[in-house]
Amino acid sequence: NAGVMQNPRHLVRRRGQEARLRCSPMKGHSHVYWYRQLPEEGLKFMVYLQKENIIDESGMPKERFSAEFPKEGPSILRIQQVVRGDSAAYFCASSPDWAGGAFFGQGTRLTVV
Amino acid sequence: QQQVKQSPQSLIVQKGGISIINCAYENTAFDYFPWYQQFPGKGPALLIAIRPDVSEKKEGRFTISFNKSAKQFSLHIMDSQPGDSATYFCAAHSQGGSEKLVFGKGTKLTVNP
Repeated sequence: NAGVMQNPRHLVRRRGQEARLRCSPMKGHSHVYWYRQLPEEGLKFMVYLQKENIIDESGMPKERFSAEFPKEGPSILRIQQVVRGDSAAYFCASSPDWAGGAFFGQGTRLTVV
Repeated sequence: QQQVKQSPQSLIVQKGGISIINCAYENTAFDYFPWYQQFPGKGPALLIAIRPDVSEKKEGRFTISFNKSAKQFSLHIMDSQPGDSATYFCAAHSQGGSEKLVFGKGTKLTVNP
């Protein structure tokens, strides 16, 4: 059973471009969570999704950020018109039921130049 | 209310020593307290977790001590080894609240040989 798969592992974008981060949850997991980690900081919750539904997006900036978890395919975190402050590691986690049972992926490290 | 405060920020221990990391919280609705271990370039991995109905949980060399009245919990690593060198995060989850984990800022542990 493969773990939570995130790709790409590293992503470099110029200011103003779009960043698209993908997360394939573990088999059998229908709950997906996205977290952002800044250097020397803990993980900050961004969004919680179930298949085709956004359950909680309270941690996600209102502008430029969006997330989806379609019926088929991976969950996508999309950042439009990236700025330098978006540079961070973005982690996806998945679970079969609740956040406490979530497994984390290896993360996508986004660098905005 | 949603914060989890973690200390120290960094910790250096000699091989064979005891590593102690502390966390404190304010939200009494938190009901699950996991600890995560993160190696450089990797995602966080669940190490050990506790619920507030017990005061201590031990798994191998790792022990969580929980003080409900003080709203504090700590991770003890006995017989610390160089392979334990990593960043450790405490976290908290609120039953009935949003399905997210609230993380401390992390403790970078270095175990010298």
